[in-house]
Amino acid sequence: GAVVSQHPSRVICKSGTSVKIECRSLDFQATTMFWYRQFPKKSLMLMATSNEGSKATYEQGVEKDKFLINHASLTLSTLTVTSAHPEDSSFYICSARLTLRSEQFFGPGTRLTVL
Amino acid sequence: DQQVKQNSPSLSVQEGRISILNCDYTNSMFDYFLWYKKYPAEGPTFLISISSIKDKNEDGRFTVFLNKSAKHLSLHIVPSQPGDSAVYFCAASARAGNMLTFGGGTRLMVKP
Repeated sequence: GAVVSQHPSRVICKSGTSVKIECRSLDFQATTMFWYRQFPKKSLMLMATSNEGSKATYEQGVEKDKFLINHASLTLSTLTVTSAHPEDSSFYICSARLTLRSEQFFGPGTRLTVL
Repeated sequence: DQQVKQNSPSLSVQEGRISILNCDYTNSMFDYFLWYKKYPAEGPTFLISISSIKDKNEDGRFTVFLNKSAKHLSLHIVPSQPGDSAVYFCAASARAGNMLTFGGGTRLMVKP
């Protein structure tokens, strides 16, 4: 299957700092990438849909100024958590969709801990 | 309002037996359904999918059944193996955005 990578896999930062998470599709081009957040023992919650070359579409309740998404190329999308707070601590997962197909292939996730 | 529900948070099955995971949905616009398997601290792994034009799709030990009138789908794993122990998420999408709506997940434990 298609491979999606995320970097870093784990990050610990101080409150007030910004953290950037990268999502890459390694062996295919993805016009659409998705960013999810998972709280402990909870389902995956879609945060935003990222389309290459255009602004991301954010789900209701997700602050676009706090969670900056950039989809600069067909293989790379980034999520920047700005001015992180402890409540932003979570497991962030990206996925990439093969063009014209519905299957989404997920990255391994990034564990963010804000102290 | 949860559009995709997995009412069983956990399921325990003996190795070699059949595992049946259930999922219900409410949005009639959903026309594509997927099952994902997830281990802790990892991203979900795609297992199997089904389009609304079908009522069954089979891939090895995994079979997904779709009952559109009941808005219900199920994943059958037979025979179950200890390595199948994980959290299973069903997900649904509508033709228009293809964004996925996930159920809450069911933790499957297959005992040797």
